Amino acid sequence: EAQLAESGGGLVKPGGSLRLSCAASGFTFSYAWMSWVRQAPGKGLEWVGRIKSKTDGGTTDYAAPVKGRFTISRDDSKNTLFLQMNSLKTEDTAVYYCTTDQVWGQGTLVTVSS
Amino acid sequence: QAVVTQEPSLTVSPGGTVTLTCGSSTGAVTSGHYPYWLQQKPGQAPRTLIYETSNKHSWTPARFSGSLLGGKVALTLSGAQPEDEAEYYCLLSYSGAWVFGGGTKLTVL
Repeated sequence: EAQLAESGGGLVKPGGSLRLSCAASGFTFSYAWMSWVRQAPGKGLEWVGRIKSKTDGGTTDYAAPVKGRFTISRDDSKNTLFLQMNSLKTEDTAVYYCTTDQVWGQGTLVTVSS
Repeated sequence: QAVVTQEPSLTVSPGGTVTLTCGSSTGAVTSGHYPYWLQQKPGQAPRTLIYETSNKHSWTPARFSGSLLGGKVALTLSGAQPEDEAEYYCLLSYSGAWVFGGGTKLTVL
């Protein structure tokens, strides 16, 4: 069974950094295009960005609000996806989900507050 | 950026049928937008019900179906059950960038 498990969330001050991880199992991670999606408290879903599989170029795309601040990467040897978040703002507060588009993790909460 | 629109809320009676729709500010929704429908219950992660307009997962109840309808994409629930009460999100792809609709809160009452 395909599964995703995020970790690394927590409380961080504005301007700070945080790195999220997403451990994948039950499917061939290296072939998957992986995305991060976030959900602010009480709000809807918002796409953060995506990384393609290395066989498809391994390139990344980002939503405008996070471009230049967030970086998505992957370690196929460890079946793990990463989201490096820098220059965090209060409006980045959200539950962050990783997804293959078919399978979703349970999410990890990031709170940006002074 | 494109705006994806959904009905904010709908109500259906148990056993009834309801259709949720999803439109695009850029024009007609087509299969080229690779439409998805997600279900999210309170306190839970989203789960994908329908992908690429009308394809179902093994976990998708047969009472859910997806289609293109009048320039929009539609999710039809036939024979609503109490457990179908949830938020439903449409997801469209625009040259690889995902845009979510604002969600439809479906009440089964």
